[in-house]
Amino acid sequence: NAGVTQTPKFRILKIGQSMTLQCTQDMNHNYMYWYRQDPGMGLKLIYYSVGAGITDKGEVPNGYNVSRSTTEDFPLRLELAAPSQTSVYFCASSRDTISYEQYFGPGTRLTVT
Amino acid sequence: AQTVTQSQPEMSVQEAETVTLSCTYDTSENNYYLFWYKQPPSRQMILVIRQEAYKQQNATENRFSVNFQKAAKSFSLKISDSQLGDTAMYFCAFMKREGTQGGSEKLVFGKGTKLTVNP
Repeated sequence: NAGVTQTPKFRILKIGQSMTLQCTQDMNHNYMYWYRQDPGMGLKLIYYSVGAGITDKGEVPNGYNVSRSTTEDFPLRLELAAPSQTSVYFCASSRDTISYEQYFGPGTRLTVT
Repeated sequence: AQTVTQSQPEMSVQEAETVTLSCTYDTSENNYYLFWYKQPPSRQMILVIRQEAYKQQNATENRFSVNFQKAAKSFSLKISDSQLGDTAMYFCAFMKREGTQGGSEKLVFGKGTKLTVNP
C-alpha cells in the first residue's frame, strides 16, 4: 500500500492564481482531511469528508474548496491564491470511528508570492 | 472550543537519556482521545501514542509512555533511552469523541515541541 499520497510536493503560485492539491489514499478509508501547517504552529483543519459525496468545513475553510467524488480522492482547490495561504498542506485519512488513527501524507509546501 | 498547549517550544536531551514533553489541554468534554504525533525533518506526521480518556491506565509504546492526568488536563510524553532518530517536532493533539456514528472527529493540535537528541 502506498498509503496517502499528495501531489505536488512543492509549488509556487502568484497572487490570484488557482490550483488544486491532489490527495489519494489506497487504504479504503472513509474519512479524509485537509490540514494546513503554518511556520511554528500545529496543524489546523481546513475541510474534512466522511465519505464520497460528503464534505464539511473545518476550522479554517475560507479560500478553499473540496470535493469527494470517490473514496480514494480528496482534492483541495485554492481559488484566487493569497500570500496568507503560504503554508504546508497535509492530507490525512482514517478508517472509521473506531480506529481514530489518522494517516498523513507527506505534505505539499505552497508559496504564494 | 478545545485548546491544546505545549509550553516547551524546544528541548534537548543526550542520547540514551530520558526526556519528558509537556502538554495541557482545555475541554469541557468527558469523552475524548489524546495523541502524540512526531514530525521528523521529512515532514511526515507519524502517530507515536494514543490515550483514551476513559482509560485510567497510561498508554505505552516501547520507549514511549504517557502520564495522563485527567483531572489536571495534563498529558505528558516520556521518551526513554532517547535515540538520534527521535529528533523531531512533537505535537500533542486532542480529539473529541462525537458519538458512535462519528462523522466529525477532528484533531486539535498544539504548537509543537522541537526535540533534539544530541550524541
